[in-house]
Amino acid sequence: DGGITQSPKYLFRKEGQNVTLSCEQNLNHDAMYWYRQDPGQGLRLIYYSQIVNDFQKGDIAEGYSVSREKKESFPLTVTSAQKNPTAFYLCASSMGWGSYNSPLHFGNGTRLTVT
Amino acid sequence: GNSVTQMEGPVTLSEEAFLTINCTYTATGYPSLFWYVQYPGEGLQLLLKATKADDKGSNKGFEATYRKETTSFHLEKGSVQVSDSAVYFCALSDQSGGYQKVTFGTGTKLQVIP
Repeated sequence: DGGITQSPKYLFRKEGQNVTLSCEQNLNHDAMYWYRQDPGQGLRLIYYSQIVNDFQKGDIAEGYSVSREKKESFPLTVTSAQKNPTAFYLCASSMGWGSYNSPLHFGNGTRLTVT
Repeated sequence: GNSVTQMEGPVTLSEEAFLTINCTYTATGYPSLFWYVQYPGEGLQLLLKATKADDKGSNKGFEATYRKETTSFHLEKGSVQVSDSAVYFCALSDQSGGYQKVTFGTGTKLQVIP
């Protein structure tokens, strides 16, 4: 079955360390997204990518970085510059390019805890 | 910019009660509207969608009608079950600078008690 795989499900890091969250999709989707979810705040967009080697900052990109070297993969790095990194991170994909009506498909998330 | 406002929760209902979760939106273009559901510890799943005015989306007994005149997309279900307990997100999708831009509401937690 096609879908989005995020790993790991739980991640623990010490403050000051960078950490990379994995996101892989086999839906043949062009567009991929990273969201951050905090209690009571809904979903906030971190970065998005419409095509390989292209990505754009979302609403809360500071302290995060991404790459899109392959269509299937869109890893997110949470750097030490991110002031409040503890959160639930969701990766999503959609058909992209002109398909503005297409729904997002989500992975099951990674819960990051930084102490 | 675009925005989505949905009623705050939590909403607590008895099994077989009628459910309404209100959602209103502001948008400059002609967005598509969605409801997503999130079960504990999981990602969001598409529940239903509507792409133009007066369209009705439906799935698993849930319904929502795209009302352009009132800029609303309220979610309804005639008889809820305990298994419907989850967080529900209203969202709109539009194009911005050639990209698909999705705006989410803050989510409404539903708890159904037996």
